[in-house]
Amino acid sequence: GAGVSQSPRYKVTKRGQDVALRCDPISGHVSLYWYRQALGQGPEFLTYFNYEAQQDKSGLPNDRFSAERPEGSISTLTIQRTEQRDSAMYRCASTSGNNEQFFGPGTRLTVL
Amino acid sequence: ILNVEQSPQSLHVQEGDSTNFTCSFPSSNFYALHWYRWETAKSPEALFVMTLNGDEKKKGRISATLNTKEGYSYLYIKGSQPEDSATYLCAFIFYNQGGKLIFGQGTELSVKP
Repeated sequence: GAGVSQSPRYKVTKRGQDVALRCDPISGHVSLYWYRQALGQGPEFLTYFNYEAQQDKSGLPNDRFSAERPEGSISTLTIQRTEQRDSAMYRCASTSGNNEQFFGPGTRLTVL
Repeated sequence: ILNVEQSPQSLHVQEGDSTNFTCSFPSSNFYALHWYRWETAKSPEALFVMTLNGDEKKKGRISATLNTKEGYSYLYIKGSQPEDSATYLCAFIFYNQGGKLIFGQGTELSVKP
């Protein structure tokens, strides 16, 4: 596609449920990043991949959060046993390696 | 603590005014600094990627400068227009950290006609 896409755009879930957020990067982009953005704040790094390899997951808040990119293209961020504090905008970005990161529209997650 | 600070947090100007805001970042292990323009409900849009001390970049009425030795970057908007209203985010990349962006909290600019 022309840009980074994410799905769903909005997700409302009940506390305790698992959610899976999808990111489809720009075709051919090697690196894919996940960020979380609270209201009124800048994005906060969660994890990133080069191809299918997860290079850094230091930003994942706890072990309920995990991410994968099995074929080096689409990535899924999974949050298990969601809590209200997980409510945020989750953004992914991809880059071909020249520094500029292209952001997707984000998934707005609301945990009730 | 790896902090990126932006000031002011918000700015209200009249159409036609020129304005500038600041991004401060750690001066050690610098790799790159990004400026993004972000409108609510849209994706952040890259304005500039700056890598060299003394860099000056320009896109239309918007320009940016970079001082890596003292750890700051300025973003300037000449003759602000209402369509410039947005949040301007800077983001820092440390050397050898895989390109992950460390964002500031942003400066929210509002331009009144």
